[in-house]
Amino acid sequence: DGGITQSPKYLFRKEGQNVTLSCEQNLNHDAMYWYRQDPGQGLRLIYYSQIVNDFQKGDIAEGYSVSREKKESFPLTVTSAQKNPTAFYLCASSPWEGEPQETQYFGPGTRLLVL
Amino acid sequence: DQQVKQNSPSLSVQEGRISILNCDYTNSMFDYFLWYKKYPAEGPTFLISISSIKDKNEDGRFTVFLNKSAKHLSLHIVPSQPGDSAVYFCAASYQKVTFGTGTKLQVIP
Repeated sequence: DGGITQSPKYLFRKEGQNVTLSCEQNLNHDAMYWYRQDPGQGLRLIYYSQIVNDFQKGDIAEGYSVSREKKESFPLTVTSAQKNPTAFYLCASSPWEGEPQETQYFGPGTRLLVL
Repeated sequence: DQQVKQNSPSLSVQEGRISILNCDYTNSMFDYFLWYKKYPAEGPTFLISISSIKDKNEDGRFTVFLNKSAKHLSLHIVPSQPGDSAVYFCAASYQKVTFGTGTKLQVIP
C-alpha cells in the first residue's frame, strides 16, 4: 500500500557529527518537503523539492542539506553547522497536479536527539 | 513573523459537545486553507480544507468556516469524540504552505 516512510524512528547525534534522515514515498508524488517541529511550535519548513534534481530552501534551511536524485527519495542531512538539531523531523509529499498541491501527506517522523 | 496563528494552545471539551478550534492569519494573499490532525509521535494527517472562494466546507462531523474579511478560520467538530483528542494544525497556502502552532484538543469522556 502507498505511503511515506521515514527512518530511523529515533536518531542520536554526537557533537560535530553529520546525520542523514531518510524519506521515501511510493505515492508517485512530484513534490516533497522537510519540516521541523519543536515543542509548542508549529511545523517549520526546512527544504522542499518540486521535481527531481531541484530543491529550494524553506524558512530554516541553515545547517541542513538535501538531495533529490530520485522522485521517490528526499534525504535530509543535518550537518554539524546546525547548532540546535534536537527536534521532531517530518517529511511530506504532495502531488503537483490533479489534487490541490497544498494537500500534503506526512510520514511518521524521526526524532533526533543530540548526545 | 507568524502569519498563521492559533492563539489557544489547548482546549478541553466534553464528549458529545462541539469543539471549536480557531485560527487567524495575516496574509491576505492566502487562497487555500487546511486543517491537519496530529497524534503524538506521528505525522500530521489531512483533515479538511477550504478554498478562499468559499466560506464553508463540511465533511461528516467536521466543518471549516472561513471569514475572509476577518482573516479568520475555524474548525467545528460535532459531536466531539474521545478519539478526536489530538493536536490540530491549521495551515494556509499561497505559493507555499504555512502552518500554525497547533491547538491540543482533549475530549473528555
